[in-house]
Amino acid sequence: DTGVSQDPRHKITKRGQNVTFRCDPISEHNRLYWYRQTLGQGPEFLTYFQNEAQLEKSRLLSDRFSAERPKGSFSTLEIQRTEQGDSAMYLCASSSPGTNYNEQFFGPGTRLTVL
Amino acid sequence: GESVGLHLPTLSVQEGDNSIINCAYSNSASDYFIWYKQESGKGPQFIIDIRSNMDKRQGQRVTVLLNKTVKHLSLQIAATQPGDSAVYFCAVPSGGYNKLIFGAGTRLAVHP
Repeated sequence: DTGVSQDPRHKITKRGQNVTFRCDPISEHNRLYWYRQTLGQGPEFLTYFQNEAQLEKSRLLSDRFSAERPKGSFSTLEIQRTEQGDSAMYLCASSSPGTNYNEQFFGPGTRLTVL
Repeated sequence: GESVGLHLPTLSVQEGDNSIINCAYSNSASDYFIWYKQESGKGPQFIIDIRSNMDKRQGQRVTVLLNKTVKHLSLQIAATQPGDSAVYFCAVPSGGYNKLIFGAGTRLAVHP
């Protein structure tokens, strides 16, 4: 499978714990995006990388959230001191300059439940 | 800020009928629009896109219509099949194509 992959697919944690999610983009895509999706809503942009550089962060990305893409390939999203309001689906997407970055390919998401 | 909204949260159709899903956007300067399909437990999947210099674009069983005058676009699915059951989102790029702004989505339920 050459699509975007995310791990884990599901995560249940207790409030106050730290969690980390991983995203592996399509190999030739140099842009990587993180979105959050709550039940019944469309995805909301969190942040994006071009290669290893994090170029934009949404105001939704509080200081408890940190994302990295150290080698310009896979990315991690860490949430520290999780809160019940962090419960959501976290989606990763990637795109390439070949389509002017227009088409973002999404992974299956990581569903986070904070108890 | 920029916003995108869909007119109906749910749409129920009979198998074989045509489906029409509507979307409104706020920014008259938007020049590119995308429809995504999201099946249960999966990420959004690109269906079709359209640029503002077009009024209509057709794909396989899908057609997108764009009305820039009233800032409205629609997705038409011909001969709807059970496999079309999903949530459909319209999205517009923002910030120089650095992110997508999604609407809330319309859930399409196809009944036999």
